[in-house]
Amino acid sequence: IQLTQSPSFLSASVGDRVTITCRASQGFSSFLAWYQQKAGKAPRVLIYAVSTLQRGVPSRFSGSGSGTEFTLTIDSLQPEDFATYYCQQLNSFPFTFGGGTKVEMK
Amino acid sequence: EVQLVGSGGGLVQPGRSLRLSCAASGFTFDDYAMHWVRQAPGKGLEWVSGIAWNSGRIEYADSVKGRFTISRDNAKNSLYLQMDSLRPEDTALYFCTKDAHVDLSHSEDWGQGILVIVSS
Repeated sequence: IQLTQSPSFLSASVGDRVTITCRASQGFSSFLAWYQQKAGKAPRVLIYAVSTLQRGVPSRFSGSGSGTEFTLTIDSLQPEDFATYYCQQLNSFPFTFGGGTKVEMK
Repeated sequence: EVQLVGSGGGLVQPGRSLRLSCAASGFTFDDYAMHWVRQAPGKGLEWVSGIAWNSGRIEYADSVKGRFTISRDNAKNSLYLQMDSLRPEDTALYFCTKDAHVDLSHSEDWGQGILVIVSS
């Protein structure tokens, strides 16, 4: 399953609402996760099973979607949220990641 | 606290082999599946391989199938990746990750990465 994220780059300001889309080449229901990676660091999981927030992740992050289109939304972007975000499908092998979306400060 | 400490990386010539190791601590190792995920310089994430808690399910990315072998030793709390017939395109930072479940699903915890450079 190929995953295409859009946009690849996003310029935003603190306080903005940000939406990242992940489109799949084949539909599936619930096996999708989102990760955040800051420069020089290992990724960390934000959301799994499309919309379940990982423990310790702020509630301004949310996920939704089904079929071939999934979204990650960040309500009220904070300074620590400037990073690269990846979706990953876990519906079928091989697991695959989207190409990433870099969220930069405007 | 979950700790995943990798070792075994370095510079290797094309066609040669390398074995990565990941020492796990801070959790019950044989209660979780494990993965290797890599990231080429300046590029995105690529899932490489995963192994269930009892090695009963093992899966690979198409790009490494037949060349890489994942394994685990639950008695030693360790994960391994044997990489044979290495190619320049295998150059990457290799992350050892802990799954959230006994079988293969998302990666809940990540190590800091092991750098592998394949070059003559």
